[in-house]
Amino acid sequence: AQSVSQHNHHVILSEAASLELGCNYSYGGTVNLFWYVQYPGQHLQLLLKYFSGDPLVKGIKGFEAEFIKSKFSFNLRKPSVQWSDTAEYFCAVTEGSGTYKYIFGTGTRLKVLA
Amino acid sequence: NAGVTQTPKFQVLKTGQSMTLQCAQDMNHEYMSWYRQDPGMGLRLIHYSVGAGITDQGEVPNGYNVSRSTTEDFPLRLLSAAPSQTSVYFCASSSLGQGNQPQHFGDGTRLSIL
Repeated sequence: AQSVSQHNHHVILSEAASLELGCNYSYGGTVNLFWYVQYPGQHLQLLLKYFSGDPLVKGIKGFEAEFIKSKFSFNLRKPSVQWSDTAEYFCAVTEGSGTYKYIFGTGTRLKVLA
Repeated sequence: NAGVTQTPKFQVLKTGQSMTLQCAQDMNHEYMSWYRQDPGMGLRLIHYSVGAGITDQGEVPNGYNVSRSTTEDFPLRLLSAAPSQTSVYFCASSSLGQGNQPQHFGDGTRLSIL
């Protein structure tokens, strides 16, 4: 079965530090990839998505992610984090086209120290 | 435009009781889904629907029923609540696309089973 791994469960950074959160998936075929963010007490919001084209995807709030097919990875990056980026981040995958089972990773809790 | 509306926001049940979590969306989305969010486990898909009259099981469907009689509504039923169903439940919707459409999430229902 499809699975998504987020190996960093908790990350603590100081403001202005660079961020990279890992996401690996298990499916060998075509995939659609998403990163969502959940701020404290709020629902999930989309940060960015990839389904074809340029493997480097830019999202909102200065986030970007790179799809590396050979590594089954879709890591999230931000050059300089802010205190307001404190949140939980989820990677999600659907297989190919026409399938609608969204599989989420277990999430990474990011805390940014002011 | 309300987006995805979930009711109630909080609920406490006793073991064995039944209840229905309501979810409604006003974006004319074909796709709707239910997730449960548990600490350290991310979001797990319970059931989903690609249109009125069509539902399918996700990763953790046992103990839950759904139906989709209209495009707007996708209720989740717990027939006989168990303590293991204590969780935060999120409903989400999106246009259908090819499994590559981002989901819009509701604010969640926090459910405790005693």
